[in-house]
Amino acid sequence: EVHLVESGGGLVQPGESLRLSCAASGFTFSSYSMNWVRQAPGKGLEWVSYISSSSSTKNYADSVWGRFTISRDNAQNSLYLQMSSLRAEDTAVYYCARVDYYHGMEDWGQGTTVTVSS
Amino acid sequence: DIQMTQSPSSLSASVGDRVTITCRASQGISNRLAWFQQKPGKAPKSLISAASSLQSGVPSKFSGSGSGTDFTLTISSLQPEDFATYYCQQYDSFPLTFGQGTRLEIK
Repeated sequence: EVHLVESGGGLVQPGESLRLSCAASGFTFSSYSMNWVRQAPGKGLEWVSYISSSSSTKNYADSVWGRFTISRDNAQNSLYLQMSSLRAEDTAVYYCARVDYYHGMEDWGQGTTVTVSS
Repeated sequence: DIQMTQSPSSLSASVGDRVTITCRASQGISNRLAWFQQKPGKAPKSLISAASSLQSGVPSKFSGSGSGTDFTLTISSLQPEDFATYYCQQYDSFPLTFGQGTRLEIK
């Protein structure tokens, strides 16, 4: 069974940094691309970032470009999102999701909450 | 960027009803369209991918159709557990984009 567990969320002040992690199990992590998706309180879903299985391709939403960095460690079955220069509008639940080329985001973690506030 | 427009934004229906949600892409995306169900406080759950392919374990009461720019999600014989928010999402090109969501409420 696919299992994705996010961690690392918390309360930070504007301008600070935070690193999210996503621990994967139940599948061959190194064979799958991954996404981060977020959801602000009371709002819809917003794609944040994508990384290919080998880390050769990375994509970012314009709203986070230059501030967030996605990475992965296939040996540790882990996905990361390094977030810097955080803003109030980055406040959201952040989800990691496993990506299948043909079927999109098939499996999601339970999410981790990031709150940016002074 | 590809804009995804869902309609309606909200929908009120009764147990046993059949409902249809539509999703329109601002440009053609072939069949690279997914539908998700989300309940309050929970992660999204994938229902349908490739526009019409039912995910494993999802009941056949859910069905999807469409290609190009126009897509539909149909839910038959609504049960209390089906009342949730539904999102469409295109995965044809970056940035990946979601519809604004359709909140399905009990009448």
